[in-house]
Amino acid sequence: GNSVTQMEGPVTLSEEAFLTINCTYTATGYPSLFWYVQYPGEGLQLLLKATKADDKGSNKGFEATYRKETTSFHLEKGSVQVSDSAVYFCALSHSGGYNKLIFGAGTRLAVHP
Amino acid sequence: GAVVSQHPSRVICKSGTSVKIECRSLDFQATTMFWYRQFPKQSLMLMATSNEGSKATYEQGVEKDKFLINHASLTLSTLTVTSAHPEDSSFYICSARDDGAREKLFFGSGTQLSVL
Repeated sequence: GNSVTQMEGPVTLSEEAFLTINCTYTATGYPSLFWYVQYPGEGLQLLLKATKADDKGSNKGFEATYRKETTSFHLEKGSVQVSDSAVYFCALSHSGGYNKLIFGAGTRLAVHP
Repeated sequence: GAVVSQHPSRVICKSGTSVKIECRSLDFQATTMFWYRQFPKQSLMLMATSNEGSKATYEQGVEKDKFLINHASLTLSTLTVTSAHPEDSSFYICSARDDGAREKLFFGSGTQLSVL
């Protein structure tokens, strides 16, 4: 069946460090891929998405490229800030929309000054 | 931006009691809402799709008689965990799809349920 695997956290970085959070998926066909972020005390928010192979989603300095050959959608940011501290969820959807999202377990990121 | 309010954020209850969790869209209408559950170190799992004015659609393996869903208005869905047991202890999250922008999905901040 469809599934999403992402690296376990927590990930602890110093401010301005480079971030990578790995995400791989298993799915038939061509799912849409998403990264959601959850800041403390808030609901999940869509961070970025990609709907087809080789698409790059980007937002707030974060990027992720839909790699069909490696079934991956790794999240990267060149220089993290303390305010990026949150839990990041990788997800996929086969409906083309946001109806039935399949999530990874989430990766907690802690950025220290 | 659009906000989904989920209450309570944390609840502790005794085994055998029932617990109700509310999910409310504050500034948009939502015919469709979704309920997820997350056990520690596991993925968010979709439990059911809640549709205003009709019965909820449950995912395979989710007991509909145990997890009662009511979506009586366009801004409110409730999940009631009936006769809760310690194995029901989990993090529950709701999301709501904006009827005015159906590709947009907004999430509540979640409810941590602990059953003693």
